[in-house]
Amino acid sequence: KNQVEQSPQSLIILEGKNCTLQCNYTVSPFSNLRWYKQDTGRGPVSLTIMTFSENTKSNGRYTATLDADTKQSSLHITASQLSDSASYICVVSPPQSYTASKLTFGTGTRLQVTL
Amino acid sequence: GAGVSQSPRYKVAKRGQDVALRCDPISGHVSLFWYQQALGQGPEFLTYFQNEAQLDKSGLPSDRFFAERPEGSVSTLKIQRTQQEDSAVYLCASSFSPLGQTQYEQYFGPGTRLTVT
Repeated sequence: KNQVEQSPQSLIILEGKNCTLQCNYTVSPFSNLRWYKQDTGRGPVSLTIMTFSENTKSNGRYTATLDADTKQSSLHITASQLSDSASYICVVSPPQSYTASKLTFGTGTRLQVTL
Repeated sequence: GAGVSQSPRYKVAKRGQDVALRCDPISGHVSLFWYQQALGQGPEFLTYFQNEAQLDKSGLPSDRFFAERPEGSVSTLKIQRTQQEDSAVYLCASSFSPLGQTQYEQYFGPGTRLTVT
């Protein structure tokens, strides 16, 4: 059973609009949570990384939030652009004591930005 | 050429054939990871190398999957007697982290899309 669930599965928005993607996780404990952007035919690229003690992290038009109590994270995209069309994947990492990185990936949200 | 590269980008194999997928990590990166990404799914961990040592292969789905990194740089993922369920994108990632710790960034290659017919 996937321990990282994302919603919605897919989303279509108009260029210039804002949107928010959700991530619920059950991985516990965890050391950090990442949001990745994956363009079609490309590997994932990191957007933000937050430790369990951080509440928010921004990267340009991307802002991630984390609520460790409810085990929820969100990625907010402001003033969307056509180039934002991609899959957005939430990834949770085990504690740093692990010597091998076994990241738990969500299934992703497929975002399409249209004119 | 600073990124992770993978070859081939696309591979079509007939069921039962053996395939070899190559990964060139970022120069100097100690840790190397292989992931399998099924269509519409997130990547799933296959195996991890620290230099030439394969420290974790718990994600390999069967003994038909074999990975190596003999000189601690380039890595090859080999799949023997391919089956249709092996069809997926195989992603390679490398990290500067000497122990593969999760706080270090993993840099992904573009992946190899394997289709088994």
